[in-house]
Amino acid sequence: GAGVSQSPSNKVTEKGKDVELRCDPISGHTALYWYRQSLGQGLEFLIYFQGNSAPDKSGLPSDRFSAERTGGSVSTLTIQRTQQEDSAVYLCASSSGLAGETQYFGPGTRLLVL
Amino acid sequence: QKEVEQNSGPLSVPEGAIASLNCTYSDRGSQSFFWYRQYSGKSPELIMFIYSNGDKEDGRFTAQLNKASQYVSLLIRDSQPSDSATYLCAVKDTGNQFYFGTGTSLTVIP
Repeated sequence: GAGVSQSPSNKVTEKGKDVELRCDPISGHTALYWYRQSLGQGLEFLIYFQGNSAPDKSGLPSDRFSAERTGGSVSTLTIQRTQQEDSAVYLCASSSGLAGETQYFGPGTRLLVL
Repeated sequence: QKEVEQNSGPLSVPEGAIASLNCTYSDRGSQSFFWYRQYSGKSPELIMFIYSNGDKEDGRFTAQLNKASQYVSLLIRDSQPSDSATYLCAVKDTGNQFYFGTGTSLTVIP
């Protein structure tokens, strides 16, 4: 079946505007992860959804960041009042949730805040 | 805090040589271990996973796991220029959470 998809692929916004990033996980995957990767840096964990459990939000850098997952499938990451330091690639990944199963990454959304 | 450590490199090897990438982790309860390859401007893609102590081979790639030493490595035999990328080590805990290292940059010189 189809892999993880993300939209938009690129987003340019002005400082102070809100943005929404979307992730469609692999069908049937119960676990969904959001990461951020700045240029030349490693993966920074943001948030993790597992089934109907409360999400692990421990990686969200500030209260300007929020995410939701509707119906256990599609997820939206929202950044309010964007700042230039929010510029990065935002990666979504999904996993079956089974022990030992890997996660599969989407192509990412490249966000540039001017 | 669960940590995964990798040497950031850059690591340079000549074409045809063996590239050795290393990773250590802090959580003894970690269950699964993964190596991802990430080309510049692209998303990470899975290369190998390993769950049990010892070696696991897949083509030119061999993953090695030593849980007692909390150490996992990736060997790439007969390295090719197309192997030039950043290699990410990831560890999965019992809670289905993944922890990534910062990656090792590998350059294979023709």
